[in-house]
Amino acid sequence: GESVGLHLPTLSVQEGDNSIINCAYSNSASDYFIWYKQESGKGPQFIIDIRSNMDKRQGQRVTVLLNKTVKHLSLQIAATQPGDSAVYFCARSQGNLIFGKGTKLSVKP
Amino acid sequence: KAGVTQTPRYLIKTRGQQVTLSCSPISGHRSVSWYQQTPGQGLQFLFEYFSETQRNKGNFPGRFSGRQFSNSRSEMNVSTLELGDSALYLCASSTTGGETQYFGPGTRLLVL
Repeated sequence: GESVGLHLPTLSVQEGDNSIINCAYSNSASDYFIWYKQESGKGPQFIIDIRSNMDKRQGQRVTVLLNKTVKHLSLQIAATQPGDSAVYFCARSQGNLIFGKGTKLSVKP
Repeated sequence: KAGVTQTPRYLIKTRGQQVTLSCSPISGHRSVSWYQQTPGQGLQFLFEYFSETQRNKGNFPGRFSGRQFSNSRSEMNVSTLELGDSALYLCASSTTGGETQYFGPGTRLLVL
């Protein structure tokens, strides 16, 4: 069945380092992917999205890579800051969103 | 532009009761979706409303229902509450659905 899953439940990085959060999906019909950030006590916040006709998309300090061959999605955060500490979700859109379980990113000062 | 708002932010109910949650989407957004978030199941889609019509529905029992008004505001109702209904209920809006959805802060429901 279709699913969007995350490789690692937790990730701890040093402040200033780059972070990479991974996500795998199983449905080959997926054409639109989104990364969300959820801080404690808040709703998910849109970070960046990518469509299946792209391999890479860059935002401010964030880059999303899409590898359709191996059905893998990653979020790269450059120069990770304490404010980046949160749970990150990948989601596939098919009208409604199908979310992965989330990766908790902790940034060590 | 104001974001998605949800009321109330917190609720405590007892088993068997019913509850109604409210969501006001971003101005101009006509699609409203509801999600349930629990530690065990993560974020799960409940239903989506567009132009006052339910357009899509997730795999939840009939105790979960919703509606949308002409101003795009939406409510969801859970009847005969069970302990397992304790969760964070999130509302998300988008212009027409199928693209980026913006979430509200959620309503945290505790069923005792």
